[in-house]
Amino acid sequence: DTGVSQNPRHKITKRGQNVTFRCDPISEHNRLYWYRQTLGQGPEFLTYFQNEAQLEKSRLLSDRFSAERPKGSFSTLEIQRTEQGDSAMYLCASSLDARGLGTQYFGPGTRLLVL
Amino acid sequence: GNSVTQMEGPVTLSEEAFLTINCTYTATGYPSLFWYVQYPGEGLQLLLKATKADDKGSNKGFEATYRKETTSFHLEKGSVQVSDSAVYFCALSSTGGATNKLIFGTGTLLAVQP
Repeated sequence: DTGVSQNPRHKITKRGQNVTFRCDPISEHNRLYWYRQTLGQGPEFLTYFQNEAQLEKSRLLSDRFSAERPKGSFSTLEIQRTEQGDSAMYLCASSLDARGLGTQYFGPGTRLLVL
Repeated sequence: GNSVTQMEGPVTLSEEAFLTINCTYTATGYPSLFWYVQYPGEGLQLLLKATKADDKGSNKGFEATYRKETTSFHLEKGSVQVSDSAVYFCALSSTGGATNKLIFGTGTLLAVQP
């Protein structure tokens, strides 16, 4: 069990550029979540996949954000036309559905800085 | 809507002191409750959880009891160590819906001095 991995760990970009982050969940975990954490705050839910289906998106996820999980394995989160307000830690978590009680295991996060 | 409120930090204690970090919640239905810990430079790790009223979660000397009557899930440890210095997050997951997304408090920074 290698845990949840995320790449890259750090990303610095200029305003207006596009960025893409990758999350590899624990193998066989069918649920995958994306959260965003800003300095001094707790993580906030962005979106959720069960297998390859994106079943819920937060209102925080503007139309500049898109997430995919092809084949129900790894997931990508893309931010288009980045803004300084997008600077945050982006966290991925996965869980194994057990009547909705599966514990979420988090990756180390991708820290984004938009200049 | 569902929400979590936890005591503001930082909390500064001497080694071997008793720790309490307060957490209260607002939720419909019967949420599961969690404490996650974030050590410096690392990701969130599950510390303990409780899935129904009066359950006690425990791990590494930390404990928290799910109190439905007071809507609380306070974290306690009898004797803290320097290595416990971290940010602690209280969270809930509503089992009423399909998503089971986590809703977090703002976190409490614990600093333990030798």
